[in-house]
Amino acid sequence: GAVVSQHPSWVICKSGTSVKIECRSLDFQATTMFWYRQFPKQSLMLMATSNEGSKATYEQGVEKDKFLINHASLTLSTLTVTSAHPEDSSFYICSPGVAGGYEQYFGPGTRLTVT
Amino acid sequence: TQLLEQSPQFLSIQEGENLTVYCNSSSVFSSLQWYRQEPGEGPVLLVTVVTGGEVKKLKRLTFQFGDARKDSSLHITAAQPGDTGLYLCAPRSNDYKLSFGAGTTVTVRA
Repeated sequence: GAVVSQHPSWVICKSGTSVKIECRSLDFQATTMFWYRQFPKQSLMLMATSNEGSKATYEQGVEKDKFLINHASLTLSTLTVTSAHPEDSSFYICSPGVAGGYEQYFGPGTRLTVT
Repeated sequence: TQLLEQSPQFLSIQEGENLTVYCNSSSVFSSLQWYRQEPGEGPVLLVTVVTGGEVKKLKRLTFQFGDARKDSSLHITAAQPGDTGLYLCAPRSNDYKLSFGAGTTVTVRA
């Protein structure tokens, strides 16, 4: 299977600061990137979809100005949580995919805690 | 909007017992995937089912896709503690988005 990395694996930040999460597909080129959020004891919720070189498409209820997604290359995408608040504390998971493929791979996740 | 239900929500069994997890929808799936997620990690793909009536086996795991492609089940035979995790079903849309069910938390006690 494909190798996906996320950095950092966990981060604690103060309310009002911004946090950047990186997602890399190490051995394949991801034309599409999905970002998910998972609260404790809950399932994964899709936040946004981005294609390399294009603006991300956000799901209903997800603030695009708060969760900035950059997909500048086929192997790297970043999610920046701006002006983080405690309610943004969650497990963020990226999922790079190849257009037209059944396979979708998931990163190991980033645990964000906002104090 | 496709309504996706997974049941049961929680399942706790003794090692060696069998278990079945269900995934049902009000809509037809073009394809469906099953994932297992362990705490603090991303989901790992177990199987993709595409054809109505399809049955796939992965060691002690048996996956069935309903004839009408509206439901699926995951059956584990002789469960082991290593099977513990959150099991998620996820139908794929035509734009390759995955919509995850609420999941079934399975705990296998030694």
